[in-house]
Formats: sequence, structure tokens, C-alpha cells
Amino acid sequence: DAGITQSPRHKVTETGTPVTLRCHQTENHRYMYWYRQDPGHGLRLIHYSYGVKDTDKGEVSDGYSVSRSKTEDFLLTLESATSSQTSVYFCAISESTSTSGTGELFFGEGSRLTVL
Amino acid sequence: AQRVTQPEKLLSVFKGAPVELKCNYSYSGSPELFWYVQYSRQRLQLLLRHISRESIKGFTADLNKGETSFHLKKPFAQEEDSAMYYCAIKYNFNKFYFGSGTKLNVKP
Repeated sequence: DAGITQSPRHKVTETGTPVTLRCHQTENHRYMYWYRQDPGHGLRLIHYSYGVKDTDKGEVSDGYSVSRSKTEDFLLTLESATSSQTSVYFCAISESTSTSGTGELFFGEGSRLTVL
Repeated sequence: AQRVTQPEKLLSVFKGAPVELKCNYSYSGSPELFWYVQYSRQRLQLLLRHISRESIKGFTADLNKGETSFHLKKPFAQEEDSAMYYCAIKYNFNKFYFGSGTKLNVKP
């Protein structure tokens, strides 16, 4: 498995509280992603990063913010969690084919978030 | 806009039967397409990508630009193929978008 770890792996929180999920990689890959996985919707891109301090929105970015202050860490923050943000969150990394990478995504194990 | 469409939420077949998981995409440029698989209690992982034109675990997928499709096929399904399958497309700037997934259930 690619060196990707997510923390926490499970979290239960209450509506209105802030939540931060962390993704840590040891592969020195340039690109990092946050997805949410929901039945019937598959994987939807929340935010992604193409370098340190370089981030962009995905399909479902409302209510989420991200930060990447160093190559290995990509944080996803829910400023005020809502029940609709109950989901499984996946971090992924990639290196582009223009470098030595294969261009594929490598995924973390997922973080299950429940907002009551 | 739906970039990747997987019309089947669930596909059930018997062991030894052929299986085809459908994927259609929307992209005006030259697409890079992938199939990812998630086995029970395992990470999502790459199954195959169209540029490799390879067969992995007996699965193949051909890119049909005319029909904008990238269907995944296997002539003889095995019970261990039971999993969630996602079709994905890589857009500009290395953004990956996924379909809603198809759960394949191979019955004994």
C-alpha cells in the first residue's frame, strides 16, 4: 500500500462543531485529494491540491475548507459540521504522468464521520 | 454536470457467467479513463486504465470514443470478483472524477 494515513479513522461529533481530518503521505506526491463516499453518489471530489499552498475546489466543496502547508499533509476542515456531512471521507494522492509517476490515484483507508 | 455515468447500482451474476459493467463519460478532450475496485474491508485500488490496454484479473475495458464508453468486461465471473467498481476519468490539472459505482455480486 502507498504510504497514506488518515486520522482519525472514526469520529462522531455533534452538529455545529468543527472537525478536521488529516491526510499524511510519505510518497512525496504532488497531488492530494479529498473525496466523500456516499451510497448512490459514489465518490465525489471535495477539494484537491496541486502543490504546497495550492488548492482548488471540487464538485462538493461547500461547507469544507482545506489547507496544505507542507507536501506530506492535507487537512480537510468542516467549520461547522452538519448531518449532511455524515459520510466516509477518503484521501488520495497522485503523481502526474509528466513526471515519473504512473498517473493513478492511491487511496487512504478512509475516515468515517458521523454528525449527530 | 455528470462527467461519468454508471447506470447500474447493482449487478448480480452467477459464477462463470460473463459480466459487463457499464461506464459512459462526458469529456470533449482526449480522456484518460480508469476502473477502480473496492473489495470488502480493503482500500480503493486501481484495477486498470485504458492507456495500458491490459487485462487484470481477467478484466478488460476498451475505450470507445464514438460511444463515449469504457465498459468493463470479464468473460467468466468468479466469486472473488464481488466488490464495488468505480469508473473514473482524469480531467485537466490531474483532477479525477468518479461515477456512482456498481456493486457486483457474483453468486455461487
